[in-house]
Amino acid sequence: AQSVSQHNHHVILSEAASLELGCNYSYGGTVNLFWYVQYPGQHLQLLLKYFSGDPLVKGIKGFEAEFIKSKFSFNLRKPSVQWSDTAEYFCAVNDGGATNKLIFGTGTLLAVQP
Amino acid sequence: DGGITQSPKYLFRKEGQNVTLSCEQNLNHDAMYWYRQDPGQGLRLIYYSQIVNDFQKGDIAEGYSVSREKKESFPLTVTSAQKNPTAFYLCASTGAWGAATRGNEQFFGPGTRLTVL
Repeated sequence: AQSVSQHNHHVILSEAASLELGCNYSYGGTVNLFWYVQYPGQHLQLLLKYFSGDPLVKGIKGFEAEFIKSKFSFNLRKPSVQWSDTAEYFCAVNDGGATNKLIFGTGTLLAVQP
Repeated sequence: DGGITQSPKYLFRKEGQNVTLSCEQNLNHDAMYWYRQDPGQGLRLIYYSQIVNDFQKGDIAEGYSVSREKKESFPLTVTSAQKNPTAFYLCASTGAWGAATRGNEQFFGPGTRLTVL
């Protein structure tokens, strides 16, 4: 069965620090990869996704992620975080079939201190 | 505004009662999903529906039931058979179905927080 691992459960950073959140998945076939974000009190929303092509994907609010097929990884990065980036971040992978089901990681809670 | 609405926002249930969570979308999406979110466990799929009058069990369907009588609506019933129903429930939808659209994102509703007293 497919699975997604997010190794950082809680991350605390100061403003302007760089961010990298790890995401590894287990699936040998073609995958679609997503990062979703859940700001306090708001809907879960898409940050970015990888479907095909350039493995370096840019998303909203200055986030980017790199798909490294050989490492089964899709790490999320941001060069300089802001207090408003405080949120929970979820990595997800499409199940590879026609159902378009998503398998989610356990999430990383990011707290940015002003 | 197009989007997904879930009601109620908060729901309290006594043990032994069934409750139904509402999910409505006006995005004209074919596929709809129900997830359960628990702290430290991410989102887990309960049920999904590709099309009206059809639905499939997800990874944790026991103790839940759904219906899909209309394209816009996908209500979830949490039955008394669900051993640990206290959780945050999220409904999602996506525009199309099939391998050609696997990269489509899922759009999420605001969620319903269910607490069993």
